[in-house]
Amino acid sequence: LAKTTQPISMDSYEGQEVNITCSHNNIATNDYITWYQQFPSQGPRFIIQGYKTKVTNEVASLFIPADRKSSTLSLPRVSLSDTAVYYCLVGDMNNFNKFYFGSGTKLNVKP
Amino acid sequence: EAGVTQFPSHSVIEKGQTVTLRCDPISGHDNLYWYRRVMGKEIKFLLHFVKESKQDESGMPNNRFLAERTGGTYSTLKVQPAELEDSGVYFCASSQVGLGLQETQYFGPGTRLLVL
Repeated sequence: LAKTTQPISMDSYEGQEVNITCSHNNIATNDYITWYQQFPSQGPRFIIQGYKTKVTNEVASLFIPADRKSSTLSLPRVSLSDTAVYYCLVGDMNNFNKFYFGSGTKLNVKP
Repeated sequence: EAGVTQFPSHSVIEKGQTVTLRCDPISGHDNLYWYRRVMGKEIKFLLHFVKESKQDESGMPNNRFLAERTGGTYSTLKVQPAELEDSGVYFCASSQVGLGLQETQYFGPGTRLLVL
């Protein structure tokens, strides 16, 4: 499975838009990109998933350039409750049986 | 709809003892996964069940770990005998069988295991 690289941490303020970029240079044709959020003392929670271009749901947007070697999770107008670790995962849509979690990005939202 | 549940939420045992962790997946989910995060490390895959069959157990660290899913419903993960390095958080996740689409794995809250 393609490995991913993310910033270890990011700081933001309430009301700002936050963009977290993930590099996956070895992404394969069948690979999807999935982002998870994890709060302390909880399990990871699915945020968004995409294959190419842009995907948007009620929580976030996911931007994927044409070469798919990176992706950007965009969180609009973050609040204090968005403080969490965000994981970028890449896996084969036909064999996505196990996630490889990297270190994730610790997002700290300040008042 | 109830989410993935895990029991116990915390467990403190002594080295050499046995501990059994339980995971109840979301009803109707045939896929069940175990992951763990040992202290200071990343979350690592342990194994994957499809119904009652082990599809992939490549992440199981050694033969002190035994996972079962009799009847294809809940699963147990037994550590026997427990060692200090087994301390960490054990997560369970479940998903529906994919139909050519990406599966979304739903995670439980985890069991925090401390081996003294």
